[in-house]
Amino acid sequence: DIQMTQSPSTLSASVGDRVTITCRASQSISSWLAWYQQKPGKAPKLLIYKASSLESGVPSRFSGSGSGTEFTLTISSLQPDDFATYYCQQYNSLWTFGQGTKVEIK
Amino acid sequence: EVQLVESGGGLVQPGRSLRLSCTASGFTFGDYAMSWVRQAPGKGLEWVGFIRSKAYGGTTEYAASVKGRFTISRDDSKSIAYLQMNSLKTEDTAVYYCTREKLGSLNAFDIWGQGTMVTVSS
Repeated sequence: DIQMTQSPSTLSASVGDRVTITCRASQSISSWLAWYQQKPGKAPKLLIYKASSLESGVPSRFSGSGSGTEFTLTISSLQPDDFATYYCQQYNSLWTFGQGTKVEIK
Repeated sequence: EVQLVESGGGLVQPGRSLRLSCTASGFTFGDYAMSWVRQAPGKGLEWVGFIRSKAYGGTTEYAASVKGRFTISRDDSKSIAYLQMNSLKTEDTAVYYCTREKLGSLNAFDIWGQGTMVTVSS
C-alpha cells in the first residue's frame, strides 16, 4: 500500500501569508495526486488534481506542484476563508489520504 | 445542481448490519465511478471502497479494513449507490461520505455528499 505523509501537521499563519504544505508518497505516484480542503462539519472540497491542475471554481491563489514522491500545495496569500484542514490524496493505486494539515490563525 | 445525498446512518450495535444509500442528481450517474470515504470523529479521511461504472465492468475494490464485511452496489436506473455494512465494529464509527470520481480511470473525487453518521456502540 502507498502511504502518504503530510507536513506540518499544524501550521499557524496570518492573513496575507504565503503558505506551503508538503506531501510525500512512500513510492512514486507520478502526478496522480489531489489536494482537498475541509472545514469543520463539512465535506472535503477538491482543490487540485493531477498534482497541479486547478479544479473549476477554485481561486487561483491555490497552486500545486511536484511529481514522483514529493508534492506541495501553496496558498499564495492566505485569506480568512482558507483557515481549514488540507489533505493530500494519491490515486496512482486506488486511493490513500495523508493525515491532514490544519491551517490555524496565528 | 450536481448533488450527492447520503442517508441511512444511525446507531447500530456491534456485529449488526446497516445499509447506506447515496442518491445522485444533476448528472448522468451511470457514467461515473463512485467511492465511499469515511472519517472517524476527530480523525482524517479513509477511503473505504468504490464501484466502477458499468462501462468499466461495474466491479468493486475495497480497503483492507472493510474487505469481506462491506459491499458496494449501484442502481443506475435510480441513480443510487449503496454501501452494505455487515459485522460492524466499534472502529467503523465515522461519518460516511459518498463521492463521485472525476471521469477517467482512477481519478480524484470532485463531488462529495454531506455525509451520514454511523455510530457502532452497544
